[in-house]
Formats: sequence, C-alpha cells, structure tokens
Amino acid sequence: GAVVSQHPSRVICKSGTSVKIECRSLDFQATTMFWYRQFPKQSLMLMATSNEGSKATYEQGVEKDKFLINHASLTLSTLTVTSAHPEDSSFYICSARVSGGTGELFFGEGSRLTVL
Amino acid sequence: GNSVTQMEGPVTLSEEAFLTINCTYTATGYPSLFWYVQYPGEGLQLLLKATKADDKGSNKGFEATYRKETTSFHLEKGSVQVSDSAVYFCALSLGSGGSNYKLTFGKGTLLTVNP
Repeated sequence: GAVVSQHPSRVICKSGTSVKIECRSLDFQATTMFWYRQFPKQSLMLMATSNEGSKATYEQGVEKDKFLINHASLTLSTLTVTSAHPEDSSFYICSARVSGGTGELFFGEGSRLTVL
Repeated sequence: GNSVTQMEGPVTLSEEAFLTINCTYTATGYPSLFWYVQYPGEGLQLLLKATKADDKGSNKGFEATYRKETTSFHLEKGSVQVSDSAVYFCALSLGSGGSNYKLTFGKGTLLTVNP
C-alpha cells in the first residue's frame, strides 16, 4: 500500500525554540495532507488540512501562527511548531489522501514532540 | 454534524476470545466507514473499510459490516491473539475533494489480549 513517512519520529527541544516535522508521501502524490494531534489516551484531533500550493485550512481553536503548515510540493508537507512550550508536547500525526478513491488516507508513523 | 461513538475501553480479553468493539455514527450524508489500528508507539494503520450500506470490510480476521439502518460499523474478530493488542479507532469520511475527505474519529478503544 501507499507509504507516508514522517521525520523526525522523536524530537526533544527546549522551551521557546521551533521544531519542524516533515510528512512525505513516498510512492504517490498527495494534493491533500492532514495534520493531527493526539493527546495521551485520547483520539486524534484534526489540526489542519494542507493543500498543495495553497494556504492550510485550520480547525477551530488551532493557532495558525503557532502551528505553521507548508505544503510546497505534491509529496511533502511540513508542520512547524513555533516558540514551543511544554503544553505543545504531544504526538503529531500526518496523513495523506490518495487522489481519487473513497477518502482513504494513509498515515505517517507519527512524531513525538517533547518540549522541556 | 458528523460524529463517531465507539465503546469505551479498555477491553481486556484472553487469547482466542471473541472480540466486539461497537461503533455508531451520525453523518449528514453517506459516509465511508473505516477501522484503524494503532500499535504501541506507531502511527495508525488502516485495518478495514466499507464504502456503502451492507458492505463488509475484512482483514486479518477482523470484520465489520456497514449497517445503515442502525448507523453502526461494529468490529469483530472470532479469535484474538496477543499481537492484536492495540488501540482501535472507528472513523468516517464524507464527500469528495479536498477537506471533505477528512476523517472524523471515535475516541479509540484500547484492547489488551493476555496469553
């Protein structure tokens, strides 16, 4: 099946720094990618929808200036957590939609961010 | 709005036991339904799906039938294994194009299978 890769899988950073997480579709083109955040023992919360070549659409309550999303090519979307704080520590997961089909998404393996 | 409700866990079973994880949904249109599985420390993987009423999705011994009359998509497996221990998410998606394909997830059900 289609492969989506995230990098890094784990990152630890100091409070106040920025962290970039990459999401790549390895064997298909993805015009749309989604970024989710998962809190411990809870479901995935959709943060934003990333469309290639245009601005991301953010869900209500998600700070656009804090979570910068760029979808510069059909195979790469990036999430940058700016001025990270400990409460931003979480598991971030991206998914990419295969063009056509029934809405099936393929997920990356996730990136665990720990802000000290 | 659209929502997915699945049974709360955690669910603990012995190996070879029968598994049912209930999932019901509300949707404004005709959704596609999915079960995703998340193994410890990993991202989500699609387990099975169904795109229209009465469809049965199946994979790795797991099955779920799209029941429009009861708006349900219960996950079942006849004989679980220790390796099935994971979090299971029921989800739906609607429409075509762009953000309308975004998934709405249930809260997840943690399954632990003991030897």
